[in-house]
Formats: sequence, C-alpha cells, structure tokens
Amino acid sequence: EDKVVQSPLSLVVHEGDTVTLNCSYEVTNFRSLLWYKQEKKAPTFLFMLTSSGIEKKSGRLSSILDKKELFSILNITATQTGDSAVYLCAATHRGSTLGRLYFGRGTQLTVWP
Amino acid sequence: DARVTQTPRHKVTEMGQEVTMRCQPILGHNTVFWYRQTMMQGLELLAYFRNRAPLDDSGMPKDRFSAEMPDATLATLKIQPSEPRDSAVYFCASGSPDRDGTDTQYFGPGTRLTVL
Repeated sequence: EDKVVQSPLSLVVHEGDTVTLNCSYEVTNFRSLLWYKQEKKAPTFLFMLTSSGIEKKSGRLSSILDKKELFSILNITATQTGDSAVYLCAATHRGSTLGRLYFGRGTQLTVWP
Repeated sequence: DARVTQTPRHKVTEMGQEVTMRCQPILGHNTVFWYRQTMMQGLELLAYFRNRAPLDDSGMPKDRFSAEMPDATLATLKIQPSEPRDSAVYFCASGSPDRDGTDTQYFGPGTRLTVL
C-alpha cells in the first residue's frame, strides 16, 4: 500500500532557528514528491522534486530528494513567525493514476517570536 | 491571476439535508480533485476526474456522496443525506499532470461544512 510518513508531527522553535522536516515514502512506480504549506486555509505549493540530489531553493526554504533511501527533507533557515504552518508532503506515481497525490499527515511547525 | 474557486465558502446545515459544493478549476487544467480534511483523518482524496471522466472515486462513501463534472469549468460534490460526521473542510484542486509534465495541484479556498 502506498504511504507517506512525515516527522516530526509537530515542532516548536524560536525565530531565527533552522528546522528540518522529514518525509519518507513508499510509492510504487514513483514519479515525484511535492511539498505544500498550509496555514489556516488551503495548501499552497512549495516544491516539486523528481530527481535525486538536486536541491530546490526558494528564499529561506530548500528541499532535496533521495530516491535511493526514499525520503525528502524540507529545510527552513532563519525561521520567522510567518513560517508557522502545517507542512505537507505528497508523493505521486506514474501510470493510470498519474497526478494523484498521496499525502502525509503533515508537520505542524510553530515559530515563537 | 488564475485560481481555483469554490462555493459556498461556508455551509451550515441540518442532518438529512442535501449539500452541493461547486468548484471552478483553473482554465485549461484537465484534472480536478476533491479532498476532505479533518483533524482526525488529515487530507483524504475523495474523487478525481480527468477530461471530465471519473478516474477514481474509491475514497468516497458511495451511498451518500456523488461527484460530477457537467462541463470543463464546473465540478460538483453532492452529499445526500448529510450526516454530522460529514462535517469537514472540502477542497477542490486542479492541475494537468499528463499534459504539463508537473504534478502540481492548485487548491481552492475550501468549503467548510458543518452538519448539525
């Protein structure tokens, strides 16, 4: 059965700290891994990763995929209170269910001032 | 600025009533997804369509839920009869994974449903 597991489930840090969020996956015929940020509304897209070892970066956020060990990490440096959110990762696979996202339960990040 | 739109944004109803939620995907996207999110279960896929044809609705309770795409600009999710356990936020998302080479889905703002 396809599954995505995120850790930790929750994390509390202070502004300025660096955090690493983890996502492991078991998905047959894997195609891509995506990260989303969800504040008190809809998930918003952060990154999509398809190749191992190539870091994607957007400001203070970065992410990398390891297709051999079947995991991805999301790093946030110099955290700010605005980074407080649930971070979701999702995996997809090829074939007839192309595009279907298998979501993890998310990591709740709280950043204190 | 292309967005997925959903109506209504909030709905409070009584048990047994019919509820219809609507979604307008981003113009040009050919795949539409319906999700339900609760604290207990997280984000669950209910059903999805490609080119208006249902691809998978195995996540949906068939006895009371139905999803359709009457045309390329409208997707509907109906619950009849509604029950208190259906209370959740329902999200619609759209994308074109087979055509654009990306699995990115764009989410609408959601419909917060409360069934009393």
